[in-house]
Amino acid sequence: DAGVIQSPRHEVTEMGQEVTLRCKPISGHNSLFWYRQTMMRGLELLIYFNNNVPIDDSGMPEDRFSAKMPNASFSTLKIQPSEPRDSAVYFCASRGVGDTGELFFGEGSRLTVL
Amino acid sequence: GQQVMQIPQYQHVQEGEDFTTYCNSSTTLSNIQWYKQRPGGHPVFLIQLVKSGEVKKQKRLTFQFGEAKKNSSLHITATQTTDVGTYFCVSSGSARQLTFGSGTQLTVLP
Repeated sequence: DAGVIQSPRHEVTEMGQEVTLRCKPISGHNSLFWYRQTMMRGLELLIYFNNNVPIDDSGMPEDRFSAKMPNASFSTLKIQPSEPRDSAVYFCASRGVGDTGELFFGEGSRLTVL
Repeated sequence: GQQVMQIPQYQHVQEGEDFTTYCNSSTTLSNIQWYKQRPGGHPVFLIQLVKSGEVKKQKRLTFQFGEAKKNSSLHITATQTTDVGTYFCVSSGSARQLTFGSGTQLTVLP
């Protein structure tokens, strides 16, 4: 299996632009997580899907952020409009059905908003 | 997920010295996971602890879950430069969402 695939790996954009981050979870996994990592705030859980349904989105910063999971093999995290404080590494992770509960992370998308 | 406090935030050790990081919660945890993130990398799962008082070992790493299931620790014996990275404990919420602790960044000096 190729693991969790995220794109783009790096994005530099200007304030006010729309940003879309993409994630393909591991095939057969039924849970998907979006995390944001910054030096100041560490790894923050933004949203968690189970069977394509958002279960916990309490970590989504504000209305500028939205996430979708239209099917079991794809998810997007959108920021519109982007702001410099959104600069961070955004990680997607998936988890299968089972007792270990292990999260498998993608390589991350490093976002810089100028 | 439930909030967990992790200490210390940073630790510098000489190669060959031992290292321990601690994770504490004010509430009882259903389980706890540990992850390692190398500089520039992504978190990688190390282990999950479920039972009260559980102790698990992986080569030089020893993981413990407290009797009250409110704390956990990771101990590395005789650190090596390959142990460099940030170690996170992760708690599971009622809906199985996973919340990361603040992490302990380990530096190993050769």
